[in-house]
This record gives sequence, structure tokens and C-alpha cells, in this order.
Amino acid sequence: DQQVKQNSPSLSVQEGRISILNCDYTNSMFDYFLWYKKYPAEGPTFLISISSIKDKNEDGRFTVFLNKSAKHLSLHIVPSQPGDSAVYFCAARARDSSYKLIFGSGTRLLVRP
Amino acid sequence: ETGVTQTPRHLVMGMTNKKSLKCEQHLGHNAMYWYKQSAKKPLELMFVYSLEERVENNSVPSRFSPECPNSSHLFLHLHTLQPEDSALYLCASSQDSRTGTGQPLAKNIQYFGAGTRLSVL
Repeated sequence: DQQVKQNSPSLSVQEGRISILNCDYTNSMFDYFLWYKKYPAEGPTFLISISSIKDKNEDGRFTVFLNKSAKHLSLHIVPSQPGDSAVYFCAARARDSSYKLIFGSGTRLLVRP
Repeated sequence: ETGVTQTPRHLVMGMTNKKSLKCEQHLGHNAMYWYKQSAKKPLELMFVYSLEERVENNSVPSRFSPECPNSSHLFLHLHTLQPEDSALYLCASSQDSRTGTGQPLAKNIQYFGAGTRLSVL
């Protein structure tokens, strides 16, 4: 059973608009969440993270929101740019683990010019 | 360039072959990882080495054999693979830092290589 789920395999957004990528998790022991971006033929690159003691973290055009009661997090990209087109992975780490990241299956974002 | 280099980028092998995947990190990290990504599936953690000792082994078949000779290099030795082992194999590294009580620090970010695309015929 997947502990981290990204239920939308793909998302298409107009350039300049907001992209919202969603992620749900089931394990209440998760206390740290990360978003990675992956271009074709490259490895995942770290984008932004959030600790469970926060509900929002912002870095430029990227904001991650965490709703612990709903076990839900989302990544907002605004404004979206064509270069943001990539696969976005949500990942979570449990409180007692330094190493183990549990990944979602990814959402492919296409930003249309 | 993330500072984590994987070779080869592509590998085609028969089920009776023996091959090795190589990973090198130039980030001064003390932990290294092997992940497998099959089509339409999440990344799956295979092995973790911290300070050159294996600390995680996620029920991976013995036909996959990791080796970590030092903190900068990680290998994955492959033998008698099956076609279902065809996947993208990703290496990652991180700096494992802990508090005085041994709890992991939040910001142990993992940095990934570009992966080896493996096809088993």
C-alpha cells in the first residue's frame, strides 16, 4: 500500500498561471516532506521542503503547504513558466529515520506557452 | 550537474551477464543510496550506506549486490538479472547529521545522479 500518493499523473497549465500539485500521505510518523523535480534524462533535483512543525514554506515562485490534519501537502508554482515543465515527486520521511524517503509516483506538469 | 555522477548512463545486458553500476559523489557527503524506479512506479529505496556501512537493505534480491569502498563511491553489482529488473537505477547521497541525542536533522537532503537506464533481455 502506497504511503505517499500523488493522484494526478499529469497537469497542464497556461504560462503565467498557478500550478498546484497535490500529495496525500497515510503515515502519521512522517515529519518532513520534500518536493523534487525531474527533467527527462536527469536525476530528481531537490526543490523545496517543509517540516511538520510548519504549515507553509516559501521559496521564490514555489510554496509548499502542509495540512497535517488532512495528511495533505501541495506545491504551488506561481507564476508558472515553460521551464517548469517536468515530473514533480513528493517525498516524506518518518520521524525516526534519517535515510528513508518514501516517494509518490510523480505528477507530470506541462506549462503551455 | 548535481555532484553525483553515475556510469554507465545506459546498459543492456542478458540474464546471464554480470555487470556493475558505478556512482561517485563529489559533495563530501557521508551517506549514499541506491534507488530503483520502474515504469509508472514510485522510486523504491534499495540500499543505504552511512559512513561506508550498510544501514538499510529493503528486501532486495541477492542478484543485486552493493559495495561501498569509501564514502565517495558506491557500486551495484548485478548478476543473473531478470527482465523485470529493467528500470532506472538512481544513486543519491546526503550528509547524515544528527543532534546530540542522535535524532536526524531535518535537512538531510538527498542529491541524485542522473541514473542508469538498465534493460535486461
